[in-house]
Amino acid sequence: DIQMTQSPSSLSASVGDRVTITCRAGRTITIYLNWYQVKPGEAPQLLISAASSLQNGVPSRFSGSGSGTDFTLTISSLQPEDFATYYCQQSYTTLPTFGQGTRLEIK
Amino acid sequence: QVQLQESGPGLVKPSETLFLTCSVSGGSISSNYWSWIRQPPGKGLEWIGYIYHSGSTNYSPSLKSRVAISVDTSKNQFSLNLSSVTAADTAVYYCARMSIVRAGTNFDMWGQGTMVTVSS
Repeated sequence: DIQMTQSPSSLSASVGDRVTITCRAGRTITIYLNWYQVKPGEAPQLLISAASSLQNGVPSRFSGSGSGTDFTLTISSLQPEDFATYYCQQSYTTLPTFGQGTRLEIK
Repeated sequence: QVQLQESGPGLVKPSETLFLTCSVSGGSISSNYWSWIRQPPGKGLEWIGYIYHSGSTNYSPSLKSRVAISVDTSKNQFSLNLSSVTAADTAVYYCARMSIVRAGTNFDMWGQGTMVTVSS
C-alpha cells in the first residue's frame, strides 16, 4: 500500500482566509493524486484530479499543485460553504488509498 | 447527470452478512468502473473494491476474504456483500463511479452514503 499523510489533521480559519493543506505520499506517485471535499450527509465531491486539474463546476478559488511525493490543496479565499473535511487520494497503484483527512473548521 | 443511491439495512448483527445496493440513474452502468468506499465514525475513507460492468473485480487486500461486489446491468445496479461483520465494519458506506483519466483514476461521482451499524 502507498500511505498518504495529510497535514494538518484539523484547521481553524475564517471566511476570506487563504488555506493550504498538504498531502505526502509514502513513495512517488508522479501526479496520480486527487482531492475530495466531504460534508456530513452529502455526496463527496471530487475537486481536483491529476494533482492540479480542476474539475468542471468547482470554483476557481480551489487549486492543487505538486508532483512526486508532495502535494498541496489551496483555497484562496475561504467561503462559508468550504468548511468541510478534505481528503487526498492516490491512484498510482490498483489499490487506491486516502489520506486521513483534514477537517476545516470555522474560527 | 449520473446519480448514485445506496440502499440496504441500517443495522446488521455481528457475524452476519452486510448487503448493500447502489442504483445508478442518468447513465448506463455498462461503462466505467463502480466502487464501494466506507468511512467508519471519526475515521477516514477506506476503499473496499470495484467492479467493471463485465464483472471483473478488484478488492482491498484487507477485506478480500470477506467481500464480493456484483453487478446487474439489467437493473443498472451494483451490490456489496460483506460477510462475517464485526463492530469494526460500522461505517458510512458510499458507492462511487471510478473513471479512468489521463493520470490514473478518480472517483468522480458519489452517492450520499448510507450508515450501517453492526450491533446485536
